[in-house]
Amino acid sequence: QKEVEQNSGPLSVPEGAIASLNCTYSDRVSQSFFWYRQYSGKSPELIMSIYSNGDKEDGRFTAQLNKASQYVSLLIRDSQPSDSATYLCALDSSYKLIFGSGTRLLVRP
Amino acid sequence: DAGVIQSPRHEVTEMGQEVTLRCKPISGHDYLFWYRQTMMRGLELLIYFNNNVPIDDSGMPEDRFSAKMPNASFSTLKIQPSEPRDSAVYFCASSWQVSGNTIYFGEGSWLTVV
Repeated sequence: QKEVEQNSGPLSVPEGAIASLNCTYSDRVSQSFFWYRQYSGKSPELIMSIYSNGDKEDGRFTAQLNKASQYVSLLIRDSQPSDSATYLCALDSSYKLIFGSGTRLLVRP
Repeated sequence: DAGVIQSPRHEVTEMGQEVTLRCKPISGHDYLFWYRQTMMRGLELLIYFNNNVPIDDSGMPEDRFSAKMPNASFSTLKIQPSEPRDSAVYFCASSWQVSGNTIYFGEGSWLTVV
């Protein structure tokens, strides 16, 4: 079992809708979780970090963490075509940053 | 700051040839990471350095791969001999601490081995 699991997608949503991206992980010790966005042909860039159970909001983005169920999610409200990218879930595991394979999001105009 | 600088950006080489990828981290960052990204395996950590010392190389796939960091501003990842299955994007990243919210990635080196 991979340490970080994500559905590869693509997840297709219409412009203005809420996009929901999910991630599950196996390492119960992990305390820090991250969402990175990667545009095609570009490098990953950090968009959200979350360390405590519950929700964390930043603009149109909300990260949700449930350590008991070992999942992390990212909600993107009012999705825009410019949000079309691959979203990578990551966690700190033994002082290393471990990534999921990513979910491709397509926002239809 | 110029960010993490990688070279070459693109390389096409023949199987069996030696490949050297280069990285200049952000000044002041004590940690340097080499990642490999493929469609099949996603983004994998190959090795990371702290203060120029290799800390964890458990992700290095086999002896054909080696990485060095002779000083705080330069690192290399070498593949010798290269094989078609090494075709991937290799990212170098640096950070002032081991945490996902402080890591900055370079633009990547796109390697194709034919």
